[in-house]
Amino acid sequence: GAVVSQHPSWVICKSGTSVKIECRSLDFQATTMFWYRQFPKQSLMLMATSNEGSKATYEQGVEKDKFLINHASLTLSTLTVTSAHPEDSSFYICSAGTLQETQYFGPGTRLLVL
Amino acid sequence: RKEVEQDPGPFNVPEGATVAFNCTYSNSASQSFFWYRQDCRKEPKLLMSVYSSGNEDGRFTAQLNRASQYISLLIRDSKLSDSATYLCSPGDTGRRALTFGSGTRLQVQP
Repeated sequence: GAVVSQHPSWVICKSGTSVKIECRSLDFQATTMFWYRQFPKQSLMLMATSNEGSKATYEQGVEKDKFLINHASLTLSTLTVTSAHPEDSSFYICSAGTLQETQYFGPGTRLLVL
Repeated sequence: RKEVEQDPGPFNVPEGATVAFNCTYSNSASQSFFWYRQDCRKEPKLLMSVYSSGNEDGRFTAQLNRASQYISLLIRDSKLSDSATYLCSPGDTGRRALTFGSGTRLQVQP
């Protein structure tokens, strides 16, 4: 299947700092990538749809000014958590898909905000 | 009604057992369905796609009932390595994002 990478795999930061997470499709081009968040013992929740060359589409309740998404190329989308707070601590996962609709997930980034 | 609902589990079964999970969905327009497996602290990995009435891959069988809007996953001859959380998701042809159920946790015991 297609390969999606994420970096970093985990990050610990102080409250108030910003954290950037990268999502790359390694062997295919993705005009659309998706960002999910998963809290402990809960399911993945879609945060936003990242569109190459245009603005991201955010799900209801997700602050676009707090979670900045940039999709500058067909293989890279970034999610920046600005002014992170402890409640932002979570498992952030991106996904990208092929034309057949199947979505492949990156390995995830575990964020801990102290 | 939630978009996707799953048996909460956990399901604790002995090795070799057959176990089935159900997943109901609310969007009658969904055309494709997916079962993902998620290990603890890892990303989901695609287990099976369902585009028609069902799909079978080795010990795993998925069945779709459009009239009742549910999909099931049957695992035969359970292995210890099958222990994981199983997530179902109806596809959204409009945007290809996935909506997941809360997952069903399976623990296969020796």
